[in-house]
Order: sequence, then C-alpha cells, then structure tokens
Amino acid sequence: GENVEQHPSTLSVQEGDSAVIKCTYSDSASNYFPWYKQELGKGPQLIIDIRSNVGEKKDQRIAVTLNKTAKHFSLHITETQPEDSAVYFCAASSTSGTYKYIFGTGTRLKVLA
Amino acid sequence: GAVVSQHPSRVICKSGTSVKIECRSLDFQATTMFWYRQFPKQSLMLMATSNEGSKATYEQGVEKDKFLINHASLTLSTLTVTSAHPEDSSFYICSARDRLSSGIYNEQFFGPGTRLTVL
Repeated sequence: GENVEQHPSTLSVQEGDSAVIKCTYSDSASNYFPWYKQELGKGPQLIIDIRSNVGEKKDQRIAVTLNKTAKHFSLHITETQPEDSAVYFCAASSTSGTYKYIFGTGTRLKVLA
Repeated sequence: GAVVSQHPSRVICKSGTSVKIECRSLDFQATTMFWYRQFPKQSLMLMATSNEGSKATYEQGVEKDKFLINHASLTLSTLTVTSAHPEDSSFYICSARDRLSSGIYNEQFFGPGTRLTVL
C-alpha cells in the first residue's frame, strides 16, 4: 500500500544552524505534499506545502524541495531558533481515489540554545 | 484562512461510557472530513473518512460500531466513542476538505485535537 518514510526520527541542531528532514513516498499518483509542525498537546499546524507542478517553494526561513522522479521531498529550516523545537510530519496525498493523507512517522527537532 | 474547530478540547470519562467529539468547519463547507487518532510519540493514524450525507468509510482494523461517525451537515462531523475503555485514551484529530477546492490538489485543514482520557 501507500507509504511515506521520514528521516531522521530525531534531530538536534545548534541555534542558528540549518535543519533538514527528508521524506520518500511510494504512490506515484501523489501530487500534494504538506508539512506540519506539532507542539506538545496541540494539533498539527501546516507550515508549508508543495504541489507537484513545482520543484521548490520557500517561505522566509522554511523551504521545501520536491524530486518527483526520485519520489523525495525535503523540509529545510534555516537559522533555527529554540521555538522551532517540535515534532514535524510530512504527508503525501493525491486526488485519485480516497483523498487520504499518508503521514510520515515524524521527526522530533530540538534546537539547542 | 480556513478554520476547523473541535469540541471538547479535552475530556475525561469513566470506562463504559460514551463520548462525543465534534469537528466543525467554521468558514467553509466540507463534504469530506477525516478522523485521526494519535498515540503518544506516534504519527497520525487515519481512522475513517466522513462523507456528508452518507456512511463513513473506516480504515482496516477500526471498529465502526465502536467509533460512530455522523456527518449530518456540511460543517459538522461527530465522532462518538462508545463504551470507552482505557485503551481508547488518545488524541483525536479531525481534518476537513473544502467543498469548493479545485479538486486537483488535496488540501485539508486540521483541527486542534481532542484529548480523551478514559479512567
């Protein structure tokens, strides 16, 4: 079935450094790839998304890249700050069939001050 | 922007009782809503897809008689956990798809979640 792999599961970086989280999806029909930040006890918050018709999207310190051929997409956070510490989830979806989101397993990011 | 609310935000109940969780789309209409369950330090697991005016579609392994879903209007879906037991304690999250979305890309909007604790 459809699957999204996410790496690493935990990531510690020094404040000001960059963080990169990678996901790989299996369903070639996937065309929409959102990233969510989840803080303890809260619901997932959309931080950036990318559609399959572009290869990169940037929003201030956050960027996402997509390689459709390799079925990879990555989240890049630059100039990390302590408030970036959270769990990040990637997801992949398509509009064929059920409209489901297939979530990655999550990455716990710690930004050390 | 599109907002989804959930009520209650947290609930504690006794084993054997039923609990209802509401998911509302506040500024858009949603023909399709989704219910997820998230255990501590795990990812979101889809439980069921809720379709307005029709029966929900449940994922494999999810008991439809235990997790009753009703999507009676374009802005409200409810999840009722019947005869709740401690193992049902979890974080329940809903999402909604805008009825007017283009259909090309599957953008959904997530609620803040409901923490259920069954004693």
